[in-house]
Amino acid sequence: AQTVTQSQPEMSVQEAETVTLSCTYDTSESDYYLFWYKQPPSRQMILVIRQEAYKQQNATENRFSVNFQKAAKSFSLKISDSQLGDAAMYFCASCGATNKLIFGTGTLLAVQP
Amino acid sequence: DVKVTQSSRYLVKRTGEKVFLECVQDMDHENMFWYRQDPGLGLRLIYFSYDVKMKEKGDIPEGYSVSREKKERFSLILESASTNQTSMYLCASRVGGTPGANVLTFGAGSRLTVL
Repeated sequence: AQTVTQSQPEMSVQEAETVTLSCTYDTSESDYYLFWYKQPPSRQMILVIRQEAYKQQNATENRFSVNFQKAAKSFSLKISDSQLGDAAMYFCASCGATNKLIFGTGTLLAVQP
Repeated sequence: DVKVTQSSRYLVKRTGEKVFLECVQDMDHENMFWYRQDPGLGLRLIYFSYDVKMKEKGDIPEGYSVSREKKERFSLILESASTNQTSMYLCASRVGGTPGANVLTFGAGSRLTVL
């Protein structure tokens, strides 16, 4: 069975600074995908970034990047130049051949002006 | 853009009532999902459907059932609502194909309170 663990229930960052959100996962599958989703207050969940497990290169989307350590089963999200609009709940998730996306418990990120 | 619409943003029901949560997507997606979101527990998969009239149990199906008679609509049914089903319910959809390769599109959520 897949599991996803986010050990930081809450994080805080100053505007324009960098913050890293942690995620570890466990899976017995060789082919899987990892995701970070963002849920702003009272708004819909949206995809931030996606990583395919067979790709060694870390995914990057503008100010968002991941540090994918396959052997350690770690998938952290780095947000650079944090903005007030980055304040949200962030969920790490994994998906394998079972077609089910399994989510972690989330990290609530506050951005201080 | 794909749109996933959940019919009710807020509902208040009584214990024992039958509750229907409706979800409609407008982009011909094969796969549809129902999640439950609770503080400290994240999102937990209740049921998913990979095609019309097809369904599979997720991690917490007890107390719930689903219906998918048309491709665009996926309904979550609480046969007899209980207070422990008070929660935020999220519907999502995606195209078929390689699991994980396609991104989930979420609805805005339905916050259900059972009194």
